[in-house]
Amino acid sequence: DGGITQSPKYLFRKEGQNVTLSCEQNLNHDAMYWYRQDPGQGLRLIYYSQIVNDFQKGDIAEGYSVSREKKESFPLTVTSAQKNPTAFYLCASSMSSVGTPNQPQHFGDGTRLSIL
Amino acid sequence: AQSVAQPEDQVNVAEGNPLTVKCTYSVSGNPYLFWYVQYPNRGLQFLLKYITGDNLVKGSYGFEAEFNKSQTSFHLKKPSALVSDSALYFCAVRDLTGGGNKLTFGTGTQLKVEL
Repeated sequence: DGGITQSPKYLFRKEGQNVTLSCEQNLNHDAMYWYRQDPGQGLRLIYYSQIVNDFQKGDIAEGYSVSREKKESFPLTVTSAQKNPTAFYLCASSMSSVGTPNQPQHFGDGTRLSIL
Repeated sequence: AQSVAQPEDQVNVAEGNPLTVKCTYSVSGNPYLFWYVQYPNRGLQFLLKYITGDNLVKGSYGFEAEFNKSQTSFHLKKPSALVSDSALYFCAVRDLTGGGNKLTFGTGTQLKVEL
């Protein structure tokens, strides 16, 4: 059954700590995305990757970092520089825009991050 | 830059009545528009998209959307609402800057369907 798996479902961060959110997909999608969701603000793009070993900053990349060493995986690290990390984080994937533009994004079920 | 606006934070409708969730867009060039639904503590699910062609787009779960170029709108509709349709609905437009199938989302509309 193809899909996107995010883990953990809930995560707690202490002050000064970096935490990493996992995102794995078995849809054979080239592109992957990370969003932050806050109440009343919709989804905001943090980082995206169109291909392995390449990624670009989105609208709110400060305080976050990513890697894309494998096609299936796109982990997000929330660093201690992110002063307001409490939010619901969503990972998504889609087919490449090259040759298959306008394909919908498929989403995982999110990780809820809170501050201890 | 492209953007979408969802003017209503919440829409209430009685079960069996038609529902409309509004979305307006602003883009330079052709708009590529999407609707997604989100249930509590879940990810977003794709409902439908408009790329080109017929202005009335049919999607999943009996939903449809009407594209209106002159009014720059893409309203989501369903002829007969169900209690199970209660969820958060997002309109999105494809972001053509920087390549990829990036999307810019609206702020969401909470739909509540009551018996």
